[in-house]
Amino acid sequence: DIQLTQSPSFLSASVGDKVTITCRASQAIAKYLAWYQQKPGKAPELLVYDASTLHSGVPSRFSGGGSETEFTLTINGLQPEDFGTYFCQQLNNYPITFGPGTKVDFK
Amino acid sequence: QVQLQESGPKLVKPSQNLFLTCDVSDGSIKTGKYHWSWLRQSPGKGLEWIGYIFYSGTTYYNSSLKNRVIISFNVSKNRLSLLLNSVTAADTAIYYCACGPEHTNYVETWGRGTLVTVSS
Repeated sequence: DIQLTQSPSFLSASVGDKVTITCRASQAIAKYLAWYQQKPGKAPELLVYDASTLHSGVPSRFSGGGSETEFTLTINGLQPEDFGTYFCQQLNNYPITFGPGTKVDFK
Repeated sequence: QVQLQESGPKLVKPSQNLFLTCDVSDGSIKTGKYHWSWLRQSPGKGLEWIGYIFYSGTTYYNSSLKNRVIISFNVSKNRLSLLLNSVTAADTAIYYCACGPEHTNYVETWGRGTLVTVSS
């Protein structure tokens, strides 16, 4: 199975900050990575797929990048509604697997 | 937009079978435009993909569930189903049904989830 690690596990930032979350895969997965945001008590919501394609309706302050084994999710100008936990998901190999999550909180 | 609603038992005894259903709002199953999946989330194991079913009936399952799982759908009832056999406490989780575009693997729409506890 492909293992995904995320860093940091937790980050505390201020409104307006630029925030970057990294997801690393244990083997190459080309561009087949997605990012989700989850708020407490809610289901995850898709933000980015194919590493860098923004899902419909997702604000342009979110961007994804990377390929093969290293990927990033960047929030350019953090907003109050961006708190929550962010997960990466690899879609290249079965079983599909998720990263452990990065919790974003506000200072 | 597709809406999904899971339902089923909240409490299941160890060794019993868990059967969950997911009602799909607008008959989207028969369009063939989506793949349909079940996922779960527990504090100890994070998010876990259980498996997919495509309109063709082809299924893919997470091998970690060791052949305990069957995903199916009933097109006429617009309903997706999950059968998980011989549950243990490790199967305690929030179970989500979800869907995504047919020729991709990502999940675009999630249900609200249903918490299932396995306990005697």
